[in-house]
Amino acid sequence: QVQLQQWGAGLLVPSETLSLTCAVSGGSLSGYYWNWIRQPPGKGLEWIGEINQSGITNYNPSLKSRVALLVDTSQNQVFLRLRSVTAADTAVYYCARWPLREDPFDSWGQGTLVTVSS
Amino acid sequence: DIQMTQFPSSLSASVGDRVTITCRASQGIRNDLGWFQQKPGKAPERLIYAASNLQSGVPSRFSGSESGTEFTLTISSLQPEDVATYYCLQHHAYPLTFGGGTKVEI
Repeated sequence: QVQLQQWGAGLLVPSETLSLTCAVSGGSLSGYYWNWIRQPPGKGLEWIGEINQSGITNYNPSLKSRVALLVDTSQNQVFLRLRSVTAADTAVYYCARWPLREDPFDSWGQGTLVTVSS
Repeated sequence: DIQMTQFPSSLSASVGDRVTITCRASQGIRNDLGWFQQKPGKAPERLIYAASNLQSGVPSRFSGSESGTEFTLTISSLQPEDVATYYCLQHHAYPLTFGGGTKVEI
């Protein structure tokens, strides 16, 4: 049974870079796209982007200028970097798995709350 | 971007009631739609994929259907453990987009 374990800094000041890790256990990175989704407090879900094991990415145009997704196949980990954060980036961030040629988000990480405040 | 209009935004029903939630896509998305349940403080969980396929382990009181660009999630007999917020997701085109959510209360 695959597990997605997330971690990263939970409190940032404006202009800093958000950095989160999603570690995959019980399965391989290969054969999937690894997605990031966020949810501001009390609000809905927003898709951020995805990456596969080869480093091929797709990003939401609304965040594309500030976001970078990375992958480390040796560690079975994927990473989210979001630069120049503001209070509007305060949210719970989730990683989720999308199997190739199947339907998305059959497994999710536990979520990481990131608060941006001065 | 494909807009997913979800309604109602909230509803209150009684145990045993039939509950229906709808998502309308701004353009055709074939059956590239999923439904997710999110309980407070938890990550979303997939209930339905490909518009009408029940995720393994999900109770059979949940079902999905489609008619053109309109997609429906039905709970045939609402149970206390179904209190949650429900979201639809289209994955027909990038960027992926979610409906605004429906909060279900008893």
